[in-house]
Amino acid sequence: EAQVTQNPRYLITVTGKKLTVTCSQNMNHEYMSWYRQDPGLGLRQIYYSMNVEVTDKGDVPEGYKVSRKEKRNFPLILESPSPNQTSLYFCASSLYRALRTDTQYFGPGTRLTVL
Amino acid sequence: SQELEQSPQSLIVQEGKNLTINCTSSKTLYGLYWYKQKYGEGLIFLMMLQKGGEEKSHEKITAKLDEKKQQSSLHITASQPSHAGIYLCGVSRGGSNYQLIWGAGTKLIIKP
Repeated sequence: EAQVTQNPRYLITVTGKKLTVTCSQNMNHEYMSWYRQDPGLGLRQIYYSMNVEVTDKGDVPEGYKVSRKEKRNFPLILESPSPNQTSLYFCASSLYRALRTDTQYFGPGTRLTVL
Repeated sequence: SQELEQSPQSLIVQEGKNLTINCTSSKTLYGLYWYKQKYGEGLIFLMMLQKGGEEKSHEKITAKLDEKKQQSSLHITASQPSHAGIYLCGVSRGGSNYQLIWGAGTKLIIKP
C-alpha cells in the first residue's frame, strides 16, 4: 500500500531532550516536507527536500533540523525541544518537484507535547 | 493579513443542507489544493485545480477556481455526517519556490 508513515504518533517529552520524528514514504517520491499545525495558524512548513541531500528551510525552521540521506526517509530532529514546539506535525511527499501539478500525500501526524 | 484566507473559520450545518467554503488569495494562484482533515488526523486529498474557471467534482463535493485565479470555493451538496472535519486549502507559491502555503482551515460540523 502506497503511504507515508510517521513515528511516533504521540510523544510527550521534556524541555531540552533531543528527539527525532521519523518519516518514510514508499512511493519513490522526490519531494518531501515537514509541517506543523497549530490552532488558528493552519499548516506551516518547517523544512522541505527536493531530492536526496537537497533540503531547504520553510517558513518556521528555527529549532528544527532535517536530513535526506535516502530518498524514502526524511527525519525531523529537535535538538533541544522547547514548549513552543508542542504541536501536531505532518510529513508529506509528492512525486515531482513541480508542485503546481502534483498531489502531496500526508502522513497520519505526530502529536508532540514538550513539558 | 494572511496570504491565504479561508472563510468561514467554522460552520455548523444541518444534515442534508448545502454549504460553501471559500479560499481567497492575495496573489494569483498557480495550483490550488483542497484537503480534508478528520480532527487530529492526517490530511486526505480532495481535489486540485489549476486553470481559471476550472471545476471538479467528487461525490457530493464540487470545487471551483475563479477566472482571475485568486479565489476558490468548495461546495458540498446535501451534507452528511461523514463530511464533518476541517477543510484546508493550499497553494503553490509559483516560480522556482516549491513551497506550499495553507489557509487556516474551516471547521465543519454537521448537526443530525
